[in-house]
Amino acid sequence: DQQVKQNSPSLSVQEGRISILNCDYTNSMFDYFLWYKKYPAEGPTFLISISSIKDKNEDGRFTVFLNKSAKHLSLHIVPSQPGDSAVYFCAASPYSGGYQKVTFGIGTKLQVIP
Amino acid sequence: EAQVTQNPRYLITVTGKKLTVTCSQNMNHEYMSWYRQDPGLGLRQIYYSMNVEVTDKGDVPEGYKVSRKEKRNFPLILESPSPNQTSLYFCASSARDRNYGYTFGSGTRLTVV
Repeated sequence: DQQVKQNSPSLSVQEGRISILNCDYTNSMFDYFLWYKKYPAEGPTFLISISSIKDKNEDGRFTVFLNKSAKHLSLHIVPSQPGDSAVYFCAASPYSGGYQKVTFGIGTKLQVIP
Repeated sequence: EAQVTQNPRYLITVTGKKLTVTCSQNMNHEYMSWYRQDPGLGLRQIYYSMNVEVTDKGDVPEGYKVSRKEKRNFPLILESPSPNQTSLYFCASSARDRNYGYTFGSGTRLTVV
């Protein structure tokens, strides 16, 4: 049973427009959420995170929104650039003595068209 | 350069032949973890470690062993590999400060025939 769900396997966006990647979770114990980006033949790289005590976190072109009541988070990329083309993973962890146990979604492949 | 180093990058082996994938980090991170990536299944955690001599099972630990004798190293051991362990494996490390997430290695592509 997938606890972190990314229901869109792929997304295409024009350069300069907004990219919105969505993620749903089922485990109520999750209280910290992260987004990672992955290029082919490389390991995932950490992008941005948000704690459950917040509903928004912004870092440059990247903003993550958290709706705890809906168990939903989204990553907004504005403006989208061709270099943003990658697979994006949503991840979540519970606080249980630490944050080492991190559960990932299956990823969404973003293509930004020049 | 701060990094997580995995070796080898590619490995083809036969069923039942014990193998070890090494992982080393140079960032003095307390936490380390192993993941496998499979099509349609995303990244699944195999084992993780909170510190030296402290390890715990992730979501898919069957068929794997780990050890954490030194802070910088976290090898993944497959005592008797089987074809269903053919996968892309990632090692990762992080500091106690959760705000920076895991730093991942470049991956090890394992094929068991």
